[in-house]
Amino acid sequence: RKEVEQDPGPFNVPEGATVAFNCTYSNSASQSFFWYRQDCRKEPKLLMSVYSSGNEDGRFTAQLNRASQYISLLIRDSKLSDSATYLCVVRTYSSASKIIFGSGTRLSIRP
Amino acid sequence: DAGVIQSPRHEVTEMGQEVTLRCKPISGHDYLFWYRQTMMRGLELLIYFNNNVPIDDSGMPEDRFSAKMPNASFSTLKIQPSEPRDSAVYFCASSFPGRGLAEAFFGQGTRLTVV
Repeated sequence: RKEVEQDPGPFNVPEGATVAFNCTYSNSASQSFFWYRQDCRKEPKLLMSVYSSGNEDGRFTAQLNRASQYISLLIRDSKLSDSATYLCVVRTYSSASKIIFGSGTRLSIRP
Repeated sequence: DAGVIQSPRHEVTEMGQEVTLRCKPISGHDYLFWYRQTMMRGLELLIYFNNNVPIDDSGMPEDRFSAKMPNASFSTLKIQPSEPRDSAVYFCASSFPGRGLAEAFFGQGTRLTVV
């Protein structure tokens, strides 16, 4: 089983729609959580960190459920520029700290 | 800061040749990660270093792969001999000092093609 699992999509939604991505992680020792965005042929870049109480950044809302080991990302009023791959990321700290990426969910926004 | 710098950006080599990928992390970062990305397998963690020491290399696919970090500002990933199935984008990323749970910053990647 992969440490971080995501629905690969693709999600194809109209502009203005609300779309939600989900992610599950297997290591209960995971302590930090992030969503990254990756555009075609580019490197991944941080979209937002995910805090235990949930957090919002403009049209983006991230939620964490530690009991269920589940992370979500909600995009409201989607724009054409939101088309990208969204990567769920988990950082685990034991004796040292590694960062594991999900395989990503492709999102395509159509006009 | 210039960010994480990787070189070369593109590499095309023949099967059997040695390939060396280079990475300069952000100054002051104490974690360095090497990832490989393919369509089939997504972004895989190959190895990571903390304070120049390799911590976990369990993601390195075979003995043909090796990585070093001789100092805080430089790391290499070497494939010897290279094979066509090694074709992928290889990313290097680094992370803040003393904050073991901070996000990673990526270089632009090296696109490797082995023919």
